[in-house]
Amino acid sequence: KQEVTQIPAALSVPEGENLVLNCSFTDSAIYNLQWFRQDPGKGLTSLLLIQSSQREQTSGRLNASLDKSSGRSTLYIAASQPGDSATYLCAVRSVGNQFYFGTGTSLTVIP
Amino acid sequence: DGGITQSPKYLFRKEGQNVTLSCEQNLNHDAMYWYRQDPGQGLRLIYYSQIVNDFQKGDIAEGYSVSREKKESFPLTVTSAQKNPTAFYLCASRASGTYNEQFFGPGTRLTVL
Repeated sequence: KQEVTQIPAALSVPEGENLVLNCSFTDSAIYNLQWFRQDPGKGLTSLLLIQSSQREQTSGRLNASLDKSSGRSTLYIAASQPGDSATYLCAVRSVGNQFYFGTGTSLTVIP
Repeated sequence: DGGITQSPKYLFRKEGQNVTLSCEQNLNHDAMYWYRQDPGQGLRLIYYSQIVNDFQKGDIAEGYSVSREKKESFPLTVTSAQKNPTAFYLCASRASGTYNEQFFGPGTRLTVL
């Protein structure tokens, strides 16, 4: 069964800093990997989707990379802002129709 | 406005009662999912449906039931057999096809009194 891990569980940075969030998965046979943002008490907002054949995707200040062979993805956030404070989750879609989620990284950006 | 709606936002249940959580989408998506989220844990799949009148159990289906009579709707019933139902429940949908992303509703917080 696919297992997804996100390290660190929590991260606190000063405003303006660039940062990297990590996601690792145990089975490299994936269709895609999706990064989400979750604000407290809310649903998940999709940030980026990387197909298994892609190496990276970019959206604004966000850049996600995928190294399928090593079972890793990173989410790079440039010039962090207090509004970026949230929990960030990654999910992989393995063979079959299920998505497997990490436990998330709670990010706090200090003004 | 296209999206996924879940109701109610908060739900309180007495022990021994069944409750039904609503999930509706107007995105014309074929696939719909129900997840449970507990503090410190990732989302866990309860049930999913790829097409109307068909659904499959996820990892934690015991104590839950679903139906998929319409493409837009995928209600989840939490039965009295679910031993620890207090949690945040999230519904998601996805267009058919291997490479499409999931979209989520705002969630329902269920508390058992």
